[in-house]
Order: sequence, then structure tokens, then C-alpha cells
Amino acid sequence: AQSVTQPDIHITVSEGASLELRCNYSYGATPYLFWYVQSPGQGLQLLLKYFSGDTLVQGIKGFEAEFKRSQSSFNLRKPSVHWSDAAEYFCAVGSNTGKLIFGQGTTLQVKP
Amino acid sequence: DVKVTQSSRYLVKRTGEKVFLECVQDMDHENMFWYRQDPGLGLRLIYFSYDVKMKEKGDIPEGYSVSREKKERFSLILESASTNQTSMYLCASSPAGLEQYFGPGTRLTVT
Repeated sequence: AQSVTQPDIHITVSEGASLELRCNYSYGATPYLFWYVQSPGQGLQLLLKYFSGDTLVQGIKGFEAEFKRSQSSFNLRKPSVHWSDAAEYFCAVGSNTGKLIFGQGTTLQVKP
Repeated sequence: DVKVTQSSRYLVKRTGEKVFLECVQDMDHENMFWYRQDPGLGLRLIYFSYDVKMKEKGDIPEGYSVSREKKERFSLILESASTNQTSMYLCASSPAGLEQYFGPGTRLTVT
């Protein structure tokens, strides 16, 4: 069965520090992979997606993610975090049915 | 830009009331989805629709129904609201098989 695991429920980083949010998936075929961000009280916004091709994908707001098939991972990174990046981040895997399976989410707190 | 709108940001209803949550998308997407989001449980799929008048149950359909009479509109119906349906409800749409675009959410409180 398809599943997504985000091992870190909560992460705190200092403003200006680098960030890596982990995501591991379980899926039989080549997955479609997504990262979404949710600010408090808001809907989810798509940060980036991977369907095929280059395994390093660039997204909005300076985020990138790398697909590693051997590790079944799709970790999200940002070289320098801003206070406005504080939010909840969701990794998701999609199939050709159109449904997405979401991870439990990682809450990012940014220290001044 | 894709726009997905939901009829209310906040809603307070009484136990036993019939509740309608409306979602409209403006990008002619085939697929539409309803999720609920609860702390510690993430997003759970309630229902989805591949096309007009077509619907499929998601992971937690009990206590809910849906309607899709027009391609751009997908309604979630709580036939008889209960306190355990207090939650954040998120609607999404997508082109077939691709990324989903979300509305701002409706925070429903059932008292």
C-alpha cells in the first residue's frame, strides 16, 4: 500500500540557517511526489512537484527537493530560512488515479 | 492562477442540522476532492469526483455525502451534523492525475 512518512513532527531552526525536512514514501511504481506548505488557518499551497526527469527539483520561495529512488526519499531543503517560512509542511505521493496520500506533516518553527 | 474558493471560512452549526459546504474551481479541472484535517491525523480524504455526477468514496465517507452537478462545483453535505464532525474542511481540484490545488478551507464547529 502507498504511504508517506514524515519522521519529524516538529522542527525548530534559527533564521538564516539551512533547513531539511524529511519525507519517505512507499509506492510500487515511479511515484509522483509533492511538497505543500500550509500557513495557520489557510489551505495548502504547492511548493514543488516531481514527476520524472531531473531528480533535483526547484520550487517556489527558494525551496528545492531531491528524489532518491534508492532511499525512497524526497527531502525538502532550503539554504537559508526566513521567519515567514514558519508553517506546516506536507509531503504527498500521487498515483495515476489522481488521489494523493499525505504525510502527517512537519511543523517548522523559526527562531529569530 | 488556479483559484479554488470555498463558500465559508468559518461556520458554526448545531447538532442535527444539515450542512452544505460549497467549493468552486475556475480552471475546468476534471477532479475535485474533499478532505478533513484534524490535529495529529493529517489530511483524510472524504470523497472525490472524477467528473460531473461521478463520485467515489475516500477513506472516511461515513456521515457525509457529495454532489457534483456542474464541473466547477463540488458540494460536501453533512446530512445530520454531529460534534465529531467539528474540523477543518479542505477542498481541492486537479487536472486528471496531476497536482492538486487547494481552497482556503472551512473551519466548521458543531455545537
